[in-house]
Amino acid sequence: GQSLEQPSEVTAVEGAIVQINCTYQTSGFYGLSWYQQHDGGAPTFLSYNGLDGLEETGRFSSFLSRSDSYGYLLLQELQMKDSASYFCAVRDMGSARQLTFGSGTQLTVLP
Amino acid sequence: DADVTQTPRNRITKTGKRIMLECSQTKGHDRMYWYRQDPGLGLRLIYYSFDVKDINKGEISDGYSVSRQAQAKFSLSLESAIPNQTALYFCATLDTKRPETQYFGPGTRLLVL
Repeated sequence: GQSLEQPSEVTAVEGAIVQINCTYQTSGFYGLSWYQQHDGGAPTFLSYNGLDGLEETGRFSSFLSRSDSYGYLLLQELQMKDSASYFCAVRDMGSARQLTFGSGTQLTVLP
Repeated sequence: DADVTQTPRNRITKTGKRIMLECSQTKGHDRMYWYRQDPGLGLRLIYYSFDVKDINKGEISDGYSVSRQAQAKFSLSLESAIPNQTALYFCATLDTKRPETQYFGPGTRLLVL
């Protein structure tokens, strides 16, 4: 099976940088995805790492280290609208036909 | 127009009633999924389908059934609703060319009294 761990809550101020970590245990591994969900809304895809290293998409970056079974989502120049839940998800070789999601990290951005 | 739609958006029902949640998509994706979301528990997979003839149970399929009427339509049924099925339900599709990306519908908020 698969398990993912991420912090339940993170708080930061507008303009700051915040990092949301995700550690995973899987029987095999294809890659790590990140999704954003505003309160009551649909999750939306943010980023994907299939290989080690950093992927950058505007203010958001995601990092993966396969050897450490670890990844993170980095949000820069935080804005109030970034207040949301962030989920990491894995697609692994044991269940390559589906994604397994972490419990989510609630990010609160303060003025 | 939204690519993945769900009806109804909100539903209140009573214990023991049968209800159906519907999902339609215009993305042309073969793979469709039903998840439920409870506070603090993230998204848990109920059922998934790769095509009309390929339906699979997910992590928490007990008490649920599904029907894939066409490539574009995937329905979730609660045969006899119970209060602990109160949750937010999401339908999603997946592009096999980009399997790391799922496209979610707006969700159905279900309350079972």
